[in-house]
Amino acid sequence: DGGITQSPKYLFRKEGQNVTLSCEQNLNHDAMYWYRQDPGQGLRLIYYSQIVNDFQKGDIAEGYSVSREKKESFPLTVTSAQKNPTAFYLCASSIGIVGQGETEAFFGQGTRLTVV
Amino acid sequence: AQSVTQPDIHITVSEGASLELRCNYSYGATPYLFWYVQSPGQGLQLLLKYFSGDTLVQGIKGFEAEFKRSQSSFNLRKPSVHWSDAAEYFCAVGKGGSQGNLIFGKGTKLSVKP
Repeated sequence: DGGITQSPKYLFRKEGQNVTLSCEQNLNHDAMYWYRQDPGQGLRLIYYSQIVNDFQKGDIAEGYSVSREKKESFPLTVTSAQKNPTAFYLCASSIGIVGQGETEAFFGQGTRLTVV
Repeated sequence: AQSVTQPDIHITVSEGASLELRCNYSYGATPYLFWYVQSPGQGLQLLLKYFSGDTLVQGIKGFEAEFKRSQSSFNLRKPSVHWSDAAEYFCAVGKGGSQGNLIFGKGTKLSVKP
């Protein structure tokens, strides 16, 4: 089945550590996104990528980094510079960039990150 | 700046009753509009979308939404709610221009009474 796979589902991080969240898609989509979700806040864009080896900062990129070495994969690293990393992280993908054409985003099942 | 407002944080309806979830947006051009649903601890599932054409759009699970340009609204409706519809619902607008993105509302949590 085609879809977006995020792993792990739950992740615990000690303060000061970097952690990497995985996102893989087999939909042959060019664009991929990372969103952060906090209770009562909706979703906020962290980073997005239109094509391999290219990515752009979203609204809340500070303390995060990404890479796009393969079309299928868009991992997100939460660095120690992120002051409040506890949140639910959602990865998405789309054929083209949403908002620039008639395209829709598909979401993974999310990773819940908790700082302990 | 573009924004999406969902005025109702939490709505409770009885099973079998009709439902309307409100969504207002602020956007200069004709927007691309979406409704997503999220069950607890899960990702988002697309219910329906509006790009152009007929302003009444049909989606999955018996949902529909109507785009009203004059009111800058894209309200979600369902004639008869089922207990399985209990979830959180998000309205989103596609942010155009050089920085493509989805701007989300803060969500409306739907509870269904038996």
